[in-house]
Amino acid sequence: AQSVTQPDIHITVSEGASLELRCNYSYGATPYLFWYVQSPGQGLQLLLKYFSGDTLVQGIKGFEAEFKRSQSSFNLRKPSVHWSDAAEYFCAVGVSRGSTLGRLYFGRGTQLTVWP
Amino acid sequence: KAGVTQTPRYLIKTRGQQVTLSCSPISGHRSVSWYQQTPGQGLQFLFEYFSETQRNKGNFPGRFSGRQFSNSRSEMNVSTLELGDSALYLCASRLGASGDNEQFFGPGTRLTVL
Repeated sequence: AQSVTQPDIHITVSEGASLELRCNYSYGATPYLFWYVQSPGQGLQLLLKYFSGDTLVQGIKGFEAEFKRSQSSFNLRKPSVHWSDAAEYFCAVGVSRGSTLGRLYFGRGTQLTVWP
Repeated sequence: KAGVTQTPRYLIKTRGQQVTLSCSPISGHRSVSWYQQTPGQGLQFLFEYFSETQRNKGNFPGRFSGRQFSNSRSEMNVSTLELGDSALYLCASRLGASGDNEQFFGPGTRLTVL
């Protein structure tokens, strides 16, 4: 069965520092990969997605992520974090075929705290 | 273009009651999915509707049901509410049925069961 692991429940960084949030997935074929961000009391906003092609994808708000097939990973990065980036981040996997096509499998999320 | 809207935003019910939540997708989107978010279980898929037909269903009891109307608006219903049904219910819409269509989420309905 498909699964997504975000090993870090909570990360704290200083404003201006670099950030990397980890995501590993389990799926037999090439997945569709997503990173979403959720602010308190809000829905999910899509940061970026990977479907195929270039394994380094750029998203909104200065975020990027790299798909590494050999490591089954899709880590999210940002070179310089802003205080407004404090939120919860979710990695998600969508399957490319089969009966669960269209369903998203989410990781448990990583809560990001930014120190001024 | 307006985003996904969900009504109501907040709801308080008591055990044993039933509740109906509504979701209006982005104009032109034909697929609507529902997710439950709780601190203990995280984000879990409930079901997906496309062109008024349920395409996928998650591992939830039959108390959870949904439907989609011809204008793509969707409702989900929870009968005989339990305390554990307290959660943020998120609706997401996407253009088509393909897995590479990105999903756009609404702000959610916060359901509290007392």
